[in-house]
Amino acid sequence: DAGVIQSPRHEVTEMGQEVTLRCKPISGHNSLFWYRQTMMRGLELLIYFNNNVPIDDSGMPEDRFSAKMPNASFSTLKIQPSEPRDSAVYFCASSLLSGDTEAFFGQGTRLTVV
Amino acid sequence: RKEVEQDPGPFNVPEGATVAFNCTYSNSASQSFFWYRQDCRKEPKLLMSVYSSGNEDGRFTAQLNRASQYISLLIRDSKLSDSATYLCVVNSKTSYDKVIFGPGTSLSVIP
Repeated sequence: DAGVIQSPRHEVTEMGQEVTLRCKPISGHNSLFWYRQTMMRGLELLIYFNNNVPIDDSGMPEDRFSAKMPNASFSTLKIQPSEPRDSAVYFCASSLLSGDTEAFFGQGTRLTVV
Repeated sequence: RKEVEQDPGPFNVPEGATVAFNCTYSNSASQSFFWYRQDCRKEPKLLMSVYSSGNEDGRFTAQLNRASQYISLLIRDSKLSDSATYLCVVNSKTSYDKVIFGPGTSLSVIP
């Protein structure tokens, strides 16, 4: 298995533009997590899906952020409109069963909003 | 209070030294605990799970104290390749999973 695949690896966009980050979890995993990492705030959990259903989105910063998981093999995180303070590395992770099992991370998307 | 807190670090230790990292968590209902390692500009990867009775994996030993809501990681005989950030992770589960990462402790092993 190729592991968790995220795209793009790097994204530079102008303030106000829409940004869509993509994630393909490991096949057979039924839990998916989106995290954001910055120097100031560390790794923050944004949203958690289980069996494609959003279970906890309390970490989503504001209404500009939305996430979907239309099927077991694909998830998106969208920011509209983007702002400079959204600049961070966004990680997607999946685990086989739940939060009690190892989470495998993608390589992340480094987002810069100018 | 943050849900998961760690020693701020950084830790700079010579090769061969023993180093210990501490972590505390706020939710007494937390059920699962892990240590992850993150190399510079890379994704986090599981180092080891932490079991109630404590567990060891080579040079690494993890301990859990549920009464004090405290987790530790001990690294013996440090190697240069151990240089990384170590993240304490807690599944702060209530009715659903909530996998929370601590802020991490940076370790530099010096020749």
